Parts: sequence; C-alpha cells; structure tokens
Amino acid sequence: DAGVIQSPRHEVTEMGQEVTLRCKPISGHNSLFWYRQTMMRGLELLIYFNNNVPIDDSGMPEDRFSAKMPNASFSTLKIQPSEPRDSAVYFCASRHKPGQGASGANVLTFGAGSRLTVL
Amino acid sequence: GEDVEQSLFLSVREGDSSVINCTYTDSSSTYLYWYKQEPGAGLQLLTYIFSNMDMKQDQRLTVLLNKKDKHLSLRIADTQTGDSAIYFCAEIPGGKLIFGQGTELSVKP
Repeated sequence: DAGVIQSPRHEVTEMGQEVTLRCKPISGHNSLFWYRQTMMRGLELLIYFNNNVPIDDSGMPEDRFSAKMPNASFSTLKIQPSEPRDSAVYFCASRHKPGQGASGANVLTFGAGSRLTVL
Repeated sequence: GEDVEQSLFLSVREGDSSVINCTYTDSSSTYLYWYKQEPGAGLQLLTYIFSNMDMKQDQRLTVLLNKKDKHLSLRIADTQTGDSAIYFCAEIPGGKLIFGQGTELSVKP
C-alpha cells in the first residue's frame, strides 16, 4: 500500500488566491482527518469524516475553509481566499474502523503533509 | 474539556534514557497513543496503551499510565541520535484524536 497520499507537497501562493489541498486515504479506511500544524498552535484537528460524511468540523477556523469527501478515495481541503496566517503544514490522516486490526485501537496513518506558504 | 499537555523540549546524551511526560484530561479515552514525527515528515504511530493497563513495554520503549493522575509517560532506553524527533501523546475523546503540543527530543552524541 502506498499509504496516505497528499498533494501538493509544497505550495507558495499570494494572499487572496484559492488553495486546494488533496488527499487520497488508504484503501479500506473509512475515516479521514485533516490537521493543521504550526509552531504557535501545534497540531490542530480541522475536520474529520466517517464513511465520507463530515462528523465534526468544529476545528475549521473560518468560512474561508471548506472540506469535501466526494468518495471513499479522495478528499479536498480548500481555502478561499487565502491569508498569510493560513501558512502551515496541513496533514491528512486515515483510519480503519476501530475493532478491525490491532485490538480496537484507533490508529491513524498520516500523509507526509502539504506545506502551504501564503505571501 | 479536551486538553493534552506536554513539555516542549528534552535534551539527552546518546546512550542515556529519555522520559517524555504527558497529562491529559479525558478519562473516557480507551487508548492513549504516542506518535513520532521526524523532520519534514508526517506523524507515525510509535505505540499505544489500553486504558486498563499500567505499563506496556515494546523493545526500547516503555509506556507508563497513571489513570488516577491522568499522566502518561514514554521512556526510551539507550537513546540514539536516530531517536531525535518530536513526540506527541494523544487521546481520543469522542472518536477524534487530540494531540499534545509535542516534545522535541534532541539527542547529543
């Protein structure tokens, strides 16, 4: 398995532009998570999906942020318009249904991240 | 509320033991987790412990859990330079994984 695949790995854009980050979870995993990592705030959960349905989006900072999961193998995180304070590393992670695999533990597998710089 | 706290930095000499500490707030978490993040990479699961256990050992790693004090620790024996990374503890209240701020472990030769 290729693991969780994120694209792009790096993006540099100007304030006001639209940014779309993409994620392909591990096949067979039924939950998907978007996290943001910054020096100041650490690792923050933005939103997560179970079976393609958004369950908790309370971490999405503003209406400028939106996430979709149109099918089990693809998710996007969109920022429109982007601002310099959105600069961060954005991680996608997927998880198989608890109860399958090692003793029911909720094990997340992370992608390598998308480093976003907004100038 | 949901909160996981860790100290931010730890520096040790190669060959020494490292102990990374974490406190959490949600007593309903069935499992507690340790993840490792190497520079420029995503997080990788290191180990986890079931909440009815006090200790779990896995090669050089020892996890200790004090449920009464809501305190979790990770001990790395014979720390190597390759162990230099950021270590995150995490709990999972209500299905979503909540991470601490991460402890940056620096191993000096």
